[in-house]
Amino acid sequence: EIVLTQSPATLSLSPGERATLSCRASQTLSSYLAWHQQKPGQAPRLLIYDASKRAAGVPSRFSGSGSGTDFTLTISSLEPEDFAVYYCQQRRDWRITFGQGTRLEIK
Amino acid sequence: QITLKESGPTLVKPTQTLTLTCTFSGFSLTLSSSGDGVGWIRQPPGKALEWLALIYWDDDTRYRPSLKDRLTITKDTSKNQVVLTMTNMNPVDTATYYCIYSACPSCINQWGQGTLVSVSS
Repeated sequence: EIVLTQSPATLSLSPGERATLSCRASQTLSSYLAWHQQKPGQAPRLLIYDASKRAAGVPSRFSGSGSGTDFTLTISSLEPEDFAVYYCQQRRDWRITFGQGTRLEIK
Repeated sequence: QITLKESGPTLVKPTQTLTLTCTFSGFSLTLSSSGDGVGWIRQPPGKALEWLALIYWDDDTRYRPSLKDRLTITKDTSKNQVVLTMTNMNPVDTATYYCIYSACPSCINQWGQGTLVSVSS
């Protein structure tokens, strides 16, 4: 099973700031990594797939990068609605796994 | 537009079998939707996401290895439904269960709203 480690566990920032979230895999994923956003009381939502492709309707302030074992989700300028939990997810192995999540909170 | 909705009991007793149904629209899980799949993911309260099972248009099924003996996933294309059964339920299985749509192998492209299942006597 591929283990995904997200850092930091919690990120405290203010609206307008830049957010950088990391996801590290225990084995190479090529580019088979996705990012999902989950707001309190809601289902997750796909943001980024295949490391850097934005899903339909996702604002351009969200971007993904990386390949192999190290990946980054960047939010260029935080909006109030961006404060949520973010999960990375791999599909390199058919046994889908998720990271433990990064909680992005308002400072 | 793709939508998925979960249905099933909100409370089950320990040792009982849980049956959850995902009713979907916007695709068919048949040859006309070659490559598509529907799966299940759960999330215990306050915890991370855990993939459980997937079934593809061609009846290929995949299960979480640690739960393989307890899970069965099936599809009914005439009703646009996918059913997950989990046997021998335990309080640690208390979670929100999400149905997901997969447009490529092991992809998660769309989530259902989720349904909370509690296991308690």
